Amino acid sequence: SYEVTQPPSVSVSPGQTARITCSADALPKQYAFWYQQKPGQAPVMMIYKDTERPSGIPERFSGSSSGTTVTLTISGVQAEDEADYYCQSADSSGTYGVFGGGTKLTVL
Amino acid sequence: QVQLQQWGAGLLKTSETLSLTCAVYGGSFSDDYWSWIRQPPGKGLEWIGEINHSGSTNYNPSLKSRVTISVDTSKNQFSLKLSSVTAADTAVYYCARVPGAGIAVDGVDYWGQGTLVTVSS
Repeated sequence: SYEVTQPPSVSVSPGQTARITCSADALPKQYAFWYQQKPGQAPVMMIYKDTERPSGIPERFSGSSSGTTVTLTISGVQAEDEADYYCQSADSSGTYGVFGGGTKLTVL
Repeated sequence: QVQLQQWGAGLLKTSETLSLTCAVYGGSFSDDYWSWIRQPPGKGLEWIGEINHSGSTNYNPSLKSRVTISVDTSKNQFSLKLSSVTAADTAVYYCARVPGAGIAVDGVDYWGQGTLVTVSS
């Protein structure tokens, strides 16, 4: 089955920059999307189509892409950014969606 | 503003069929894809499948043999059926909107409130 790989955890101090990576073979030709999920809540889209930010999402959240890896960058991390972050993409044919395993961001 | 309201049985026995329905309020039902996503307790998200207003579907290959997603355009509703459930199907199930051309192109922008479905023997 097609896999999307994320690190299980990332830790960062407040005000620092957090980078969460996501790797998959088809990322050069399939978009990536990033979601933030806090305990007991539904996920929220933070980045779509690799680099685009939905309205209402703070500018400190940004996305980038390079080959088979995409990266979610959170600049000037705040305590409220502590959450699980999921990368989502699609298989090489664009037929079905796949989520990464999620990354727990801890703000120290 | 789009709202998704979902309902269905929350407790099932092994081998029964899971059935959930999601009603869509606001937006344009015929313009988008409508998806089901699940999350086992303490674990990550898993995409189940999607459907558009004309009934065109895409399914997760790992679940395809047991999943049926259907649509009722007269009520702006879509439904999920998952057959032969086991404890491994215990999860929070979300309905969701995928604007435009489907999960590969547009991602998920609106989510339902989630329904915990527990499968016991």
